[in-house]
Amino acid sequence: TQLLEQSPQFLSIQEGENLTVYCNSSSVFSSLQWYRQEPGEGPVLLVTVVTGGEVKKLKRLTFQFGDARKDSSLHITAAQPGDTGLYLCAGARGNTGFQKLVFGTGTRLLVSP
Amino acid sequence: GAGVSQSPSNKVTEKGKDVELRCDPISGHTALYWYRQSLGQGLEFLIYFQGNSAPDKSGLPSDRFSAERTGGSVSTLTIQRTQQEDSAVYLCASRTASSGNTIYFGEGSWLTVV
Repeated sequence: TQLLEQSPQFLSIQEGENLTVYCNSSSVFSSLQWYRQEPGEGPVLLVTVVTGGEVKKLKRLTFQFGDARKDSSLHITAAQPGDTGLYLCAGARGNTGFQKLVFGTGTRLLVSP
Repeated sequence: GAGVSQSPSNKVTEKGKDVELRCDPISGHTALYWYRQSLGQGLEFLIYFQGNSAPDKSGLPSDRFSAERTGGSVSTLTIQRTQQEDSAVYLCASRTASSGNTIYFGEGSWLTVV
């Protein structure tokens, strides 16, 4: 059973466009992380959100944690080819903390020049 | 080393053979994770080690899979009698209290069972 569903699964856009990736669950998470993974490499942490309703910005990336801590979104403004990669959300459950992160299904982003 | 190191980076094995995958975590990191990633998909939790505590093996898909961590450092993931459905990238990661919420992943071991 996949606890974290991401949408869309694939996204192909032109440089300069905006996009939003969604991460949804019926379960509550104590915190949620977003990772980016490039081919042949392991995922790299982008951000951790821990409070319902929290918004964090990382340059052109804006991350939001839902009020009920069941969902999250990643918005990229003016996408660039360097943003290309697989974006993964991951949730930490209750008292297990970061012992067993549950990863989402992934969103593959391709930004063309 | 500076990061999590995994070996081999690529492994092709025949169905039915045993394989061992190695992970060298970042020095001093007390927590070590193994995940499995099928082609282009999300990560599936396999096992978690934390210090001297009993490992959380709840993600191991069958009794053909086992893992150990010697001396609180290097870990080996062993898959016995490999099957074609075991083909995937096996990712190791490590973390420590001082790294906060940051989990550092290795580049993975790509296993192909033919």
